[in-house]
Amino acid sequence: QVQLVQSGAEVKKPGASVKVSCKASGYTFTTFGVSWVRQAPGQGLEWMGWIRTHNANINIKKKFQGRVSLTTDTSTTTAYMELRSLTSDDTAVYFCARWDLGYNWFDPWGQGTLLIVSS
Amino acid sequence: DIQMTQSPSSLSSSVRDRVTITCQASQDISNSLNWYQQKVGRAPKLLIYDASNLEAGVPSRFSGSGSGADFNLTISSLQPEDIATYYCQQYDNLPITFGQGTRLEIK
Repeated sequence: QVQLVQSGAEVKKPGASVKVSCKASGYTFTTFGVSWVRQAPGQGLEWMGWIRTHNANINIKKKFQGRVSLTTDTSTTTAYMELRSLTSDDTAVYFCARWDLGYNWFDPWGQGTLLIVSS
Repeated sequence: DIQMTQSPSSLSSSVRDRVTITCQASQDISNSLNWYQQKVGRAPKLLIYDASNLEAGVPSRFSGSGSGADFNLTISSLQPEDIATYYCQQYDNLPITFGQGTRLEIK
């Protein structure tokens, strides 16, 4: 079945970086994109950006530009999201999701990766 | 950025009730709207895409309607397993934006 499996929880200090992985299986990786969405504790969903896996073209939400890198490794069908210069405001669950390039829906989603930023 | 406003923010209804959640966009987004269900501690799940298309495997009691700036998600007969938070998402313009969520509870 179609599945996205993310890397485990992380605890980082302010100013550090984190790299979250998202391993896709059950479909042809390059026929869909990968989107990244985060959810702060008790809050709603915030789109961060997406990457077209067939050509690595990316769009990143303005507030994250310069701090987020989105990459993929098609040989291992894995997507990565790196977030730099962490602050406590980045404490959240980070989700990857398969992105349909036509209707722009996200499905399925990974299980989420909890990031805690604390000194 | 396009603002998505859902109402109500929370809702308590009885089993077998008909439930409607609304989502209003800050501008015309045509049919560029998806709906998701998120249960506690889980990842969101796609329910409806392109405003009114039911995702495969989603129970037929869920339906979506609307176009332009006003949209509805309706559950025709509420079931206990429908306890969740529901989000709308627009994709007419970047950045992608979500509504703030509607928390649905059973009375």
